[in-house]
Amino acid sequence: ETGVTQTPRHLVMGMTNKKSLKCEQHLGHNAMYWYKQSAKKPLELMFVYNFKEQTENNSVPSRFSPECPNSSHLFLHLHTLQPEDSALYLCASSQTASMNTEAFFGQGTRLTVV
Amino acid sequence: AQSVAQPEDQVNVAEGNPLTVKCTYSVSGNPYLFWYVQYPNRGLQFLLKYITGDNLVKGSYGFEAEFNKSQTSFHLKKPSALVSDSALYFCAVRDRVTGGGNKLTFGTGTQLKVEL
Repeated sequence: ETGVTQTPRHLVMGMTNKKSLKCEQHLGHNAMYWYKQSAKKPLELMFVYNFKEQTENNSVPSRFSPECPNSSHLFLHLHTLQPEDSALYLCASSQTASMNTEAFFGQGTRLTVV
Repeated sequence: AQSVAQPEDQVNVAEGNPLTVKCTYSVSGNPYLFWYVQYPNRGLQFLLKYITGDNLVKGSYGFEAEFNKSQTSFHLKKPSALVSDSALYFCAVRDRVTGGGNKLTFGTGTQLKVEL
């Protein structure tokens, strides 16, 4: 285990539903990230939080809404998603968002939009 | 803009043989380079990184990688492959120039298959 826990592991939702993905880290890290992993495509960075402040939004559609209430928790709120949003959503954390620190990843949430 | 290329979708190796997973990068400045491994139904696990200093970096599970600035490469190697090494391997880069920001850019991944 990496110390980063994501729930749920699997999620099936309709296009009109609202759901949230949760990420929790017990590593004392100050930076947290959301990535999207689709088949045959590079990992796409979605959001970065450093010391609870959002420092990067990588042109993500507004139907994805992140929330970082404290340095240990990160949420991704989902609403009116499209089938092409089906993917593995990975949460990660690192000591800080500085460039030479490695990230620790959770196991991901496999999202299917129907 | 920074980018990473992993030219092989899949690499097949016999157990006990050496393995190489290739990675080339493009950055405007000097790079920070990383290798991660992903086992089925799991998140990515950090293997090793190059920050500065010795071009040969040693990491977890007997893996190592060599930074080659002239060839802009950071190939992952292991002297003797194990069946348990079979997984998806990702190379990643950050540009030291401020414009790289917080963004860690990943390659598309290389599936390593080690057979008996």
